[in-house]
Amino acid sequence: GDSVTQMEGPVTLSEEAFLTINCTYTATGYPSLFWYVQYPGEGLQLLLKATKADDKGSNKGFEATYRKETTSFHLEKGSVQVSDSAVYFCALSDQQAGTALIFGKGTTLSVSS
Amino acid sequence: EAGVAQSPRYKIIEKRQSVAFWCNPISGHATLYWYQQILGQGPKLLIQFQNNGVVDDSQLPKDRFSAERLKGVDSTLKIQPAKLEDSAVYLCASSPGRGGFFGQGTRLTVV
Repeated sequence: GDSVTQMEGPVTLSEEAFLTINCTYTATGYPSLFWYVQYPGEGLQLLLKATKADDKGSNKGFEATYRKETTSFHLEKGSVQVSDSAVYFCALSDQQAGTALIFGKGTTLSVSS
Repeated sequence: EAGVAQSPRYKIIEKRQSVAFWCNPISGHATLYWYQQILGQGPKLLIQFQNNGVVDDSQLPKDRFSAERLKGVDSTLKIQPAKLEDSAVYLCASSPGRGGFFGQGTRLTVV
């Protein structure tokens, strides 16, 4: 079945460091890909998404490119801030299987000043 | 635009008791989901509604969990009787298409 694999956390960075969180997926159809973020004590928020191969999603300085050839959707940010500390979830929605999201296990990011 | 509303935010019950969660989706969203998020894991779909009808309940433990969507708007999720392993955050989401907008969730602790 469809699945999402994220890099294990926690990821600990200093402010202004470069961030990469790896995400790969397995899907039978043509999925849409998503990154969600969960700040401490808050609900899941959509960070960015891409709906087809080679699309780049971006928001708040974060970017991810839908790579069909490597089945990947890695999250990147050039300069992280303390306020980016949160749990990041990669997810897919495969039209073949309906519209529900399939999530990875999440990656905890901790940024220190 | 109002977001997805859920209540209660927190609930503590003893095992074998029953509990119910309520969700009000974003106005106009035909699709509503309930997810279970166990600590340290990603959310897992329990049930998906399209308007009044159930689209997918394959991962819903039907011997103890039930859900309904009233008039294609609000939804309730019920657990009866609860087990210790049901301790989790229960997330409601609604969507006009792929993806979803999430509520803040209900944190359930079963003791």
